[in-house]
Amino acid sequence: GAVVSQHPSWVICKSGTSVKIECRSLDFQATTMFWYRQFPKQSLMLMATSNEGSKATYEQGVEKDKFLINHASLTLSTLTVTSAHPEDSSFYICSAKTGGGQPQHFGDGTRLSIL
Amino acid sequence: GNSVTQMEGPVTLSEEAFLTINCTYTATGYPSLFWYVQYPGEGLQLLLKATKADDKGSNKGFEATYRKETTSFHLEKGSVQVSDSAVYFCALSDLGTGGGNKLTFGTGTQLKVEL
Repeated sequence: GAVVSQHPSWVICKSGTSVKIECRSLDFQATTMFWYRQFPKQSLMLMATSNEGSKATYEQGVEKDKFLINHASLTLSTLTVTSAHPEDSSFYICSAKTGGGQPQHFGDGTRLSIL
Repeated sequence: GNSVTQMEGPVTLSEEAFLTINCTYTATGYPSLFWYVQYPGEGLQLLLKATKADDKGSNKGFEATYRKETTSFHLEKGSVQVSDSAVYFCALSDLGTGGGNKLTFGTGTQLKVEL
C-alpha cells in the first residue's frame, strides 16, 4: 500500500522549454503533497507544500513563478518548471501523505536535464 | 529551528558486519523521527519511524530508538548485506508547527557493503 507514482522518470529538453512532472498517489488520497529537489550527493531540499484545492506554500528562496505547482485532486499534483535553464537540472522528488501524523510516501523521482 | 545531523559517509562495511549510523536532532516540541533509504536513481522509501520518546522503530533487521534525553535516533543493524548498500536519511517531523508535517532531513549517509 501507499504507492506514489512519479512521471516521467527522466526527461531531457532544450533550454527555454517548460517541463511538467506528475505525482500520483495510486492507492490512497493525498491531502498533502510535497515537492523536493535533490542535488547530487546532497539531501532533499523542500521546495513547496501543496494541499488539495489550495495554493501551494513555497519555501523561502523558491520562485513560485518558475516552479508552478497544481494539486487539483486528492490523487494528483503537478510541478511545471517554466522556461527551464541548465541550472534547473536536478532530481525532483514528490511525496504524498494523508492527514494527521501519517508519514510521507515518496515517488521514485524525476531526473531533469536541461541542455 | 529544526535540524538533523547525521554522521558523514561513506560508510564501508564487510557483509555481516554491525552497522551504526548516528543521527541527532534539534527540534521544538515533540517531533516524530524517521529513517528513509534511497537506492541509486530512486526516490526515498520509509524504513522505520518512532513517534514518541523511548519508542523503537524496526524493519528489515534495522532498528532505531527515540532517545529524548540525548536527542538521538541512531540506526543499527546487526548484520548488513550487500543489498543494504544505499543512502540513508534521518528525518524529523514536528507535528506542532501546523506546517503540514514538513520533514527536515539530515544530509544522508552512504552505506557501501562489500563481500
